[in-house]
Amino acid sequence: GIQVEQSPPDLILQEGANSTLRCNFSDSVNNLQWFHQNPWGQLINLFYIPSGTKQNGRLSATTVATERYSLLYISSSQTTDSGVYFCAVDEYNFNKFYFGSGTKLNVKP
Amino acid sequence: NAGVTQTPKFRILKIGQSMTLQCTQDMNHNYMYWYRQDPGMGLKLIYYSVGAGITDKGEVPNGYNVSRSTTEDFPLRLELAAPSQTSVYFCASTPPPQRADPETQYFGPGTRLLVL
Repeated sequence: GIQVEQSPPDLILQEGANSTLRCNFSDSVNNLQWFHQNPWGQLINLFYIPSGTKQNGRLSATTVATERYSLLYISSSQTTDSGVYFCAVDEYNFNKFYFGSGTKLNVKP
Repeated sequence: NAGVTQTPKFRILKIGQSMTLQCTQDMNHNYMYWYRQDPGMGLKLIYYSVGAGITDKGEVPNGYNVSRSTTEDFPLRLELAAPSQTSVYFCASTPPPQRADPETQYFGPGTRLLVL
């Protein structure tokens, strides 16, 4: 299956700071999503973004499919942004996802 | 809508025991999935289903079985539990293609399983 690598593995921010999370994948994909897992374990979909750029409030994401990477931007971080951010990709658009190992974000007040 | 629900929330099993993890969704979603998440890792797909009566293996299917007799339910069966199956198990579902958000996965709260 596809290899998905995320960086950095861990990130500590002061509240109000900005950050960029990266996801590299090893093959062409039809589907790419970003998820947030909160400290209680709940997984929430952030973006469906197989290509292009999307924004939702303080979060935005860009996928450059030809170069096989995606970026998640968090601006003006808040303590509620803490948790683990996962990138997941699907080759054949059956929503059969391969997940990266995640970026663990800790936003300090 | 309750969304995706999973039971139990937590379970301890002895080696060799069997159990069924329950998953139900009330959103009329076609696609359903079972993932496991080991500590500090991402999710790995165990099995998935594209509709009632149709299931297929994911990345790590060994030691598990599934069935899909209805659109709503997608139980995961563990036979002969082993310590390597200690993990958190997540069920997820996806809307049908004609919906506005077909690609979005909705996750249940997870079942934490400890095999001793």
